[in-house]
Amino acid sequence: EAGVAQSPRYKIIEKRQSVAFWCNPISGHATLYWYQQILGQGPKLLIQFQNNGVVDDSQLPKDRFSAERLKGVDSTLKIQPAKLEDSAVYLCASSPLVGLAKNIQYFGAGTRLSVL
Amino acid sequence: DAKTTQPNSMESNEEEPVHLPCNHSTISGTDYIHWYRQLPSQGPEYVIHGLTSNVNNRMASLAIAEDRKSSTLILHRATLRDAAVYYCILRVLNTGGFKTIFGAGTRLFVKA
Repeated sequence: EAGVAQSPRYKIIEKRQSVAFWCNPISGHATLYWYQQILGQGPKLLIQFQNNGVVDDSQLPKDRFSAERLKGVDSTLKIQPAKLEDSAVYLCASSPLVGLAKNIQYFGAGTRLSVL
Repeated sequence: DAKTTQPNSMESNEEEPVHLPCNHSTISGTDYIHWYRQLPSQGPEYVIHGLTSNVNNRMASLAIAEDRKSSTLILHRATLRDAAVYYCILRVLNTGGFKTIFGAGTRLFVKA
């Protein structure tokens, strides 16, 4: 079974530029999550989708961050414009809605963003 | 937000058991206790989860206190590959479904 795919692995941009991250979850997983992980901290949930609907985006800075999951499969997370404090690893995870693994999140390797 | 408290770091010798503690005094009856670990430059990896009873799987054991306000992840024989940050997490049921809240975790060092 293929895991959660994320790209790019690394991205360096200057402040005020825009950036987009892509995530392809495990096939059949209805729930998709985007997390932000700042160095030395645990992951912080930015947004959670169930199929193509948003379940929780309470911690998403909506003035600059946006995310979509148009067909209920892969997803993109965008930052526009980026700030220095957005430097972090952006993690995507997915989980199934049913079955033995329904409580388990499977994470991708993440995209490391550096904002200069 | 439901929170967990873990030591910042712990150290273990290789081949010895490791007990990683977690306090979650504000846990409610529907909150699941999950453990994930994160190796360097990787995303977190699921280890184990439970609700009320102790749980065992091929990776570890989870011991949950009777009042559910604390739990312990047990690695029966630590190896160098177990060196990672271990996160104790409450999976909280709210109106939108289950929500996962990560803390800072415990960094486990394993000595050869």
